[in-house]
Amino acid sequence: QVQLQESGPGLVKPSETLSLTCTVSGGSISSGDYYWSWIRQPPGKGPEWIGYIYYSGSTNYNPSLESRVTISVDTSKNQFSLKLSSVTAADTAVYYCVRDRLAGIYDFWGQGTLVTVSS
Amino acid sequence: DIQMTQSPSSLSASVGDRVTITCRASQSISLYLNWYQQKPGKAPKLLIYSASSFQSGVPSRFSGTGSGTDFTLTISSLQPEDFATYYCQQSYSSPYSFGQGTKLDFK
Repeated sequence: QVQLQESGPGLVKPSETLSLTCTVSGGSISSGDYYWSWIRQPPGKGPEWIGYIYYSGSTNYNPSLESRVTISVDTSKNQFSLKLSSVTAADTAVYYCVRDRLAGIYDFWGQGTLVTVSS
Repeated sequence: DIQMTQSPSSLSASVGDRVTITCRASQSISLYLNWYQQKPGKAPKLLIYSASSFQSGVPSRFSGTGSGTDFTLTISSLQPEDFATYYCQQSYSSPYSFGQGTKLDFK
């Protein structure tokens, strides 16, 4: 069964860029059957969709974050990545990488990684 | 953007109780509604998709109904492992949005 694992710094300074990578095992990103998404959840709040990427490199971002977000894919490593620029304290959250069944249905999630924005 | 509103925000119940959680969309989303369960410190887990379809492995005591703007998640007989926070999420149009959650705890 597919597994997803986030990796990256847990602490980012204000105005800097948050960078996370998701490694997928037990399935190929290149299968073409799924989108690969990032979702975040601020402490005590509901989840927020950030965006997704298809194995071909096509992307779709949440308009509320679009100006600061880049999602990329490396099919040779079976990984996809998130970059969020100009972060503030409001970007502090648990960040999840997630498999999407091409329909906004999120069936497999990574364990999540807490990213704190603080100087 | 489509707004999702859940009620109640919190709910106290006992093992064996029948529980219903409601989710309302700010516009019609047909059957594009999914339910997730989240336990503390864990990622959300998909329970129901497309309003009423079971994700593999989900116990039959969970059920989902509704269409258009109004949806419900029902747990027919609460088990100890069901005490968690539940989220609805629309997959009708991007940006896909979640409700604020319903926390289910012991009475």
